[in-house]
Amino acid sequence: KQEVTQIPAALSVPEGENLVLNCSFTDSAIYNLQWFRQDPGKGLTSLLLIQSSQREQTSGRLNASLDKSSGRSTLYIAASQPGDSATYLCAASKGGFKTIFGAGTRLFVKA
Amino acid sequence: NAGVTQTPKFQVLKTGQSMTLQCAQDMNHEYMSWYRQDPGMGLRLIHYSVGAGITDQGEVPNGYNVSRSTTEDFPLRLLSAAPSQTSVYFCASSYSIGDEKLFFGSGTQLSVL
Repeated sequence: KQEVTQIPAALSVPEGENLVLNCSFTDSAIYNLQWFRQDPGKGLTSLLLIQSSQREQTSGRLNASLDKSSGRSTLYIAASQPGDSATYLCAASKGGFKTIFGAGTRLFVKA
Repeated sequence: NAGVTQTPKFQVLKTGQSMTLQCAQDMNHEYMSWYRQDPGMGLRLIHYSVGAGITDQGEVPNGYNVSRSTTEDFPLRLLSAAPSQTSVYFCASSYSIGDEKLFFGSGTQLSVL
């Protein structure tokens, strides 16, 4: 059974810092991995989707990498801003749309 | 451009009552799903559908029913509400296999007393 773990559970950083959020999964036979952002009281917004054949995806200040062999993905946020404060979730899919989510990392960026 | 629309946003039920959470998408997505989100546990898949007339169970299907009579709508029915079903419920959709970027609704906060 696929399990997805995110470390740390919470993170507080000063504005401008580069940071890395970690995601690990137990079953490396995944179809894709997605990173989401969730603001308090809101739904999830997809940030990046990495297909199993890809190693990384980039969008603006965000870069996500995928290493299937080690069961890990990282989300790199460059030059963090207070507006980046949110919960970030990763999710692994084996295809057939059965997507398993991690519990998320709560990020707080201090001005 | 509405995307994924969920209603209601908030609901309080008494134990044993039944209700239906509504979900509609206007993006012509084949795939729709329901998740529940509980503190510290991430999102857990309840039921999903890969097209009209086709549904299947996720991780935590007990106590919930779904149907998919149209591409646009995917309602979630609670048959006899229990306090353990107190949670935030999210509906999500994606275009198809091969394009599985998930789009989420804004959620329904359900309390069962």
